[in-house]
Amino acid sequence: SQKIEQNSEALNIQEGKTATLTCNYTNYSPAYLQWYRQDPGRGPVFLLLIRENEKEKRKERLKVTFDTTLKQSLFHITASQPADSATYLCAPLGGYNKLIFGAGTRLAVHP
Amino acid sequence: NAGVTQTPKFQVLKTGQSMTLQCAQDMNHNSMYWYRQDPGMGLRLIYYSASEGTTDKGEVPNGYNVSRLNKREFSLRLESAAPSQTSVYFCASWGEPPYNEQFFGPGTRLTVL
Repeated sequence: SQKIEQNSEALNIQEGKTATLTCNYTNYSPAYLQWYRQDPGRGPVFLLLIRENEKEKRKERLKVTFDTTLKQSLFHITASQPADSATYLCAPLGGYNKLIFGAGTRLAVHP
Repeated sequence: NAGVTQTPKFQVLKTGQSMTLQCAQDMNHNSMYWYRQDPGMGLRLIYYSASEGTTDKGEVPNGYNVSRLNKREFSLRLESAAPSQTSVYFCASWGEPPYNEQFFGPGTRLTVL
């Protein structure tokens, strides 16, 4: 079955550093992959979409890579701030009209 | 423009009771979704509706039913609640899959005793 793996342990980093989150997927080849941010007690909010033919996508301080050979996406936040503290969800396209969500990685940015 | 709205925000049920979770979107989206989110397990798809008048099972449909009432509204019904259905439920809509984003509601936190 299709499986998504994200680091289950929280990532703790110092303000100003770059945070890197990993998403690995197995047993399929998604044409698209999305990243979402989720704050406690709220619904996920879309951040970025990357297509299989795009190696890298950027939006302000965010950068996403998509390696279809390794079956992996990396999500980077540069110059991180305490306000970036949240859970980040990886969501490859799992079939027509469906996303498959990873369990998410919690990021904590300390001043 | 309210986006995706859900009611209620919180609910406590006893085992065997029934209830309906309501969801509405005002973005004129065709596709709507119901997910449940449990600690450490991420969002799991319960049911989805690709367009008005159609519904399909997702990964975890057992114990649930859905109704796509019209283009705006998509409800989720628990006929006989069980403690295993204690979870946070999110409704989402998707305007033009897979090219853009899903929009999520604020969630319903359900506890079944």
